[in-house]
Amino acid sequence: EDQVTQSPEALRLQEGESSSLNCSYTVSGLRGLFWYRQDPGKGPEFLFTLYSAGEEKEKERLKATLTKKESFLHITAPKPEDSATYLCAVQSFGNEKLTFGTGTRLTIIP
Amino acid sequence: KAGVTQTPRYLIKTRGQQVTLSCSPISGHRSVSWYQQTPGQGLQFLFEYFSETQRNKGNFPGRFSGRQFSNSRSEMNVSTLELGDSALYLCASSQPPGTADTQYFGPGTRLTVL
Repeated sequence: EDQVTQSPEALRLQEGESSSLNCSYTVSGLRGLFWYRQDPGKGPEFLFTLYSAGEEKEKERLKATLTKKESFLHITAPKPEDSATYLCAVQSFGNEKLTFGTGTRLTIIP
Repeated sequence: KAGVTQTPRYLIKTRGQQVTLSCSPISGHRSVSWYQQTPGQGLQFLFEYFSETQRNKGNFPGRFSGRQFSNSRSEMNVSTLELGDSALYLCASSQPPGTADTQYFGPGTRLTVL
């Protein structure tokens, strides 16, 4: 059974203070690892897909990386508008269902 | 292009009642997936429909059911509500089916069971 664990549960940063969010996963064969952003009262918004170890994707102040056991979402010089819950999910071969972690609630303080 | 819409946005029911939630996918999307989101469990997959047929199903009891209509709109039903069914129910549409990186979520229906 696929499993995803995200840490920390919550993170408070000062504006401009860079940090990383962790997503550890266990799958039989990784088809894809996905990062989403979820704002209060809204559904998750897709950010990145990573398919193989060593792959990296970037979007503005966010960079996602992938190893065989975990993924990191690095946030560089964050701004208050980056405050949200960040969700990680995996999809394995032979199982199209997404398995989500419980998310990291990120707060950026001005 | 209109996004995924869900109705109602908020719902309050009592234990033992049943509830029906509705989801209208993005135009042209024929796959609709449903998820339950709770603080302790995160997002959990309920089921996916494509062309009016259930393609995948999560590990939820039979009280949770769904269907899809010919216009791709989908409904999910929960019968004999329990307190633990209180959650945010999210719908997502995609085309083609099973493609998580082209999956768009709606805003959800917040269900409270008293």
